[in-house]
This record gives sequence, structure tokens and C-alpha cells, in this order.
Amino acid sequence: QQQVKQSPQSLIVQKGGISIINCAYENTAFDYFPWYQQFPGKGPALLIAIRPDVSEKKEGRFTISFNKSAKQFSLHIMDSQPGDSATYFCAASNQAGTALIFGKGTTLSVSS
Amino acid sequence: GEEVAQTPKHLVRGEGQKAKLYCAPIKGHSYVFWYQQVLKNEFKFLISFQNENVFDETGMPKERFSAKCLPNSPCSLEIQATKLEDSAVYFCASSQSYSSIQTLHFGNGTRLTVT
Repeated sequence: QQQVKQSPQSLIVQKGGISIINCAYENTAFDYFPWYQQFPGKGPALLIAIRPDVSEKKEGRFTISFNKSAKQFSLHIMDSQPGDSATYFCAASNQAGTALIFGKGTTLSVSS
Repeated sequence: GEEVAQTPKHLVRGEGQKAKLYCAPIKGHSYVFWYQQVLKNEFKFLISFQNENVFDETGMPKERFSAKCLPNSPCSLEIQATKLEDSAVYFCASSQSYSSIQTLHFGNGTRLTVT
């Protein structure tokens, strides 16, 4: 049973455009929602994270929007750049210390 | 060190052979996690440690997989009698404390190919 559903599987965006990746979760006990960025041959690296007490968090060009009632959260990349081309994973966990549950990833390609 | 170090980078084993992977967490990090990434995407949680103690092993296929984190040694993940389906990239991650347990620092993985 997949607990975090991520879409789309792949995304092509023009340079300067907005990239949007969506995730939905099922377990209402989740209270921590990070996004990880992974480049080929590398491990995933934490990009930005949010807790359910806020509806939005922004760090530079990256924004997480969180909708607790809909059990959905999304990553927005503003002014997308070719260097943003990577695979993005949403994840969720709870403070009980359980391991992160990852979505299946979105491969983003930003064309120049 | 400041990075999670995983060795080897690549490992090739014939079906039925043993495979052993190593992970040195970031110095001072108490929690270590192992994940299996198949088909370049899906991450499957295997096991986690708090220092040398197993913290969560709910994802571990216990028949052939085992793991250890011993004091003053790299953590290890061992697969006995490898199968073709074990081919994947295995990632190790570490975390500083319980309060930051979800902020994982990943290594660059070990690619295991079972032939």
C-alpha cells in the first residue's frame, strides 16, 4: 500500500517557467513533509520541508504549499533553471520517529 | 566526516553469492537508515539504528538480509544468497538526533548488480 502518491511521473518545463509537483498522503498521523532532490549518481538531498501547522513555506525559488484537509502538498519551483533538472521526491513521516515514506519521484527536465 | 560515506560504489555478485555493503555515518549522528532504491525511483525503507541498536526493522526482509552498526566501525548491510531482484542502489542515511530524525543526510549509494 503506497502511502504517498506523487505526480506527475515526469515533467518538462521551459527555462523561466514554473514547475509544479504534487503529492497526496493517506496517513493522518504524518506531520512532517519534506522534498528531496536527487541528481544522477547521487543520494537525495533535502530541499525544503514543512509541518502541517503552516500552509506554505518558501525558500528562494522553492515553495511548498500544504492543504491539510485535502491531505495534499505540492512543490513549486519558480523561474525554473536547467540546473534544476533532477528527480524530486516528496516524503512524509511522523514525530514518532518512523522512517520517511517516499513518493515514487518526478523527473524534471528544464529546457534551455 | 561531514558526509555519509558508502562503500563500495559498485558491487557485482552472481546469484547466490553474498554481498556486504558499508556505511560510515556523519560523525556525531546517532541514527542510521538503510534504503533500497529500485528502478531509479522507488525508495524502500529497510532498517534503522539508534547507535548500535536496531530502531526500526519493519522493512527488512529477514530471511536473507541482516545489518549491524557496531561501535567504532562502519555500519554494514549484508545480503546472503543474493537474488536477481536484489539488484538496486542501496542508500545509507544518517541523522543527528531524535528531534531531527527526519532530516536525513544520504550517502551516494552502492549499486548492487546481481547477475
